[in-house]
Amino acid sequence: DTEVTQTPKHLVMGMTNKKSLKCEQHMGHRAMYWYKQKAKKPPELMFVYSYEKLSINESVPSRFSPECPNSSLLNLHLHALQPEDSALYLCASSQYVDSNQPQHFGDGTRLSIL
Amino acid sequence: AQRVTQPEKLLSVFKGAPVELKCNYSYSGSPELFWYVQYSRQRLQLLLRHISRESIKGFTADLNKGETSFHLKKPFAQEEDSAMYYCALQDSNYQLIWGAGTKLIIKP
Repeated sequence: DTEVTQTPKHLVMGMTNKKSLKCEQHMGHRAMYWYKQKAKKPPELMFVYSYEKLSINESVPSRFSPECPNSSLLNLHLHALQPEDSALYLCASSQYVDSNQPQHFGDGTRLSIL
Repeated sequence: AQRVTQPEKLLSVFKGAPVELKCNYSYSGSPELFWYVQYSRQRLQLLLRHISRESIKGFTADLNKGETSFHLKKPFAQEEDSAMYYCALQDSNYQLIWGAGTKLIIKP
């Protein structure tokens, strides 16, 4: 299995809802990432996990809460989001955080905040 | 400052014509550079990395340290090459610094 799988593919939620995005990989990668991508823009790094521990938080608002339950799974819990949070959320993984191996991306979750 | 510049937001060429997507970087160390491609409604995927010096889908990219460039080239464009292309630099913390991207359109 050489893929990063993200669910759901699409999510529409109100500003008071609580939802979660899920990401899974079975490549044995020990580094996992959350990115936010606006239309026709490059991805913006949000969080990095290394060996299931949060190693980088790029000053992301607390309404985004990441979680790494095990080495294959990465979640992003969402609460009280704003309309400007509407974007494509990408999960990626790589062999290790401190290696020059490329990152593998999922298809993303397209999030719309009403 | 560490930076990746892709000067063209949009590049449009005819099928069969040569393609060159420009990428310039600013980095004090020895750069690790990548080209990623995002086809319409598909995931972001690695196209090339400079360290492997290979050709993927007919594309090549050569690192020119003197000109601090990593331009992506293909001698004969195909319609299926239409996509968004991102150049990325791995920084000293092993994180990716992305260029703004170039949308490539191949006209029939």
